[in-house]
Amino acid sequence: AQSVTQLGSHVSVSEGALVLLRCNYSSSVPPYLFWYVQYPNQGLQLLLKYTTGATLVKGINGFEAEFKKSETSFHLTKPSAHMSDAAEYFCAVTQTGANNLFFGTGTRLTVIP
Amino acid sequence: DGGITQSPKYLFRKEGQNVTLSCEQNLNHDAMYWYRQDPGQGLRLIYYSQIVNDFQKGDIAEGYSVSREKKESFPLTVTSAQKNPTAFYLCASRWTGTDTQYFGPGTRLTVL
Repeated sequence: AQSVTQLGSHVSVSEGALVLLRCNYSSSVPPYLFWYVQYPNQGLQLLLKYTTGATLVKGINGFEAEFKKSETSFHLTKPSAHMSDAAEYFCAVTQTGANNLFFGTGTRLTVIP
Repeated sequence: DGGITQSPKYLFRKEGQNVTLSCEQNLNHDAMYWYRQDPGQGLRLIYYSQIVNDFQKGDIAEGYSVSREKKESFPLTVTSAQKNPTAFYLCASRWTGTDTQYFGPGTRLTVL
């Protein structure tokens, strides 16, 4: 069975501050991990993904995430928050060839000017 | 432009009525998916289809039905048997050579 836990349903940061959104996963097989972003009343946009290879992955809009197998984590970071980063962020896990993408409950990021 | 379209963006229906949500993609993706999103619960899989004329139940299929008569289209019907249909519905698609699902803009269904 696979699952995702996102710690903190709401995170607030000041503009220019570090963004850290936490994601821990559970998987009995090598996981494929994703971060998606959702703006109000819109669909999900892929930020970045980890499948195999380099454990530090870079995505769009300056975001990156590091796969840490020993900690079963895939935290999302950005060095300097921008007002346009305010949105809801979802971490998700699957395995190769699988159809079911398991989502966390999401973290709403607020950026304070 | 290639992408996934969902229509309508907002849909209002009376309780007890069936309603069909449209999802179309021109990405030539083989697999298509329907998710339901409720506040604080993330996304939950309703149905998915890997090929035309075949589909599988997801985690919360009760009260929903789908069809896949064309590769490009995967409509979802919310039936009167669905006890709490008010939600945001998201369609996604995936090329089976990859593991990444791409999402449409969503349909917000409100049952009055």
